[in-house]
Amino acid sequence: AQSVAQPEDQVNVAEGNPLTVKCTYSVSGNPYLFWYVQYPNRGLQFLLKYITGDNLVKGSYGFEAEFNKSQTSFHLKKPSALVSDSALYFCAVTPLYNQGGKLIFGQGTELSVKP
Amino acid sequence: GAVVSQHPSWVICKSGTSVKIECRSLDFQATTMFWYRQFPKQSLMLMATSNEGSKATYEQGVEKDKFLINHASLTLSTLTVTSAHPEDSSFYICSARDPRKSNQPQHFGDGTRLSIL
Repeated sequence: AQSVAQPEDQVNVAEGNPLTVKCTYSVSGNPYLFWYVQYPNRGLQFLLKYITGDNLVKGSYGFEAEFNKSQTSFHLKKPSALVSDSALYFCAVTPLYNQGGKLIFGQGTELSVKP
Repeated sequence: GAVVSQHPSWVICKSGTSVKIECRSLDFQATTMFWYRQFPKQSLMLMATSNEGSKATYEQGVEKDKFLINHASLTLSTLTVTSAHPEDSSFYICSARDPRKSNQPQHFGDGTRLSIL
């Protein structure tokens, strides 16, 4: 079965410190991987994606993620967190063979950045 | 960039009312749109895949007669919650993908908060 896991319900970070939000996946074949962010009462905003190529992907707002095939992980990172980064983060995957583009989401991680 | 518009953003209505939510792709034609349901601080649950000009594909456990989906044009999909009850209260989100760009992500609407009294 295809699945995405975000092992941490919540991550707390002090402003200015680096942050990591973890994601592991299980799909058949090579996946398309995505990170989205959701602010309260809003839809999801796209942050970054991995399709192929460089394992380190850079995205919006200073975020980046590293694709690790052997560990089937795609952790989201940022070198220096901002209070405004506080939000709900979702990792998602689409199996390559799924031409319909259906996304499989992780359960979400709430990031809280304190001043 | 691509934009998906969802309307209304907030609905409060009485039990037994039917509620229609619209999802529009503003600068691209979306042959496929997706409808999700989200409970507070939880993940998105895919309800159905909306296909232009054909029947929607519903996920297991989603009542087709309860959640009617119509995708009558390439830029509009609607979700109608029929005879809504308090347990239908939730945050509903749609998304669409530009079919011309197979590697691009889905774009999401801002969601509709549905509250049934």
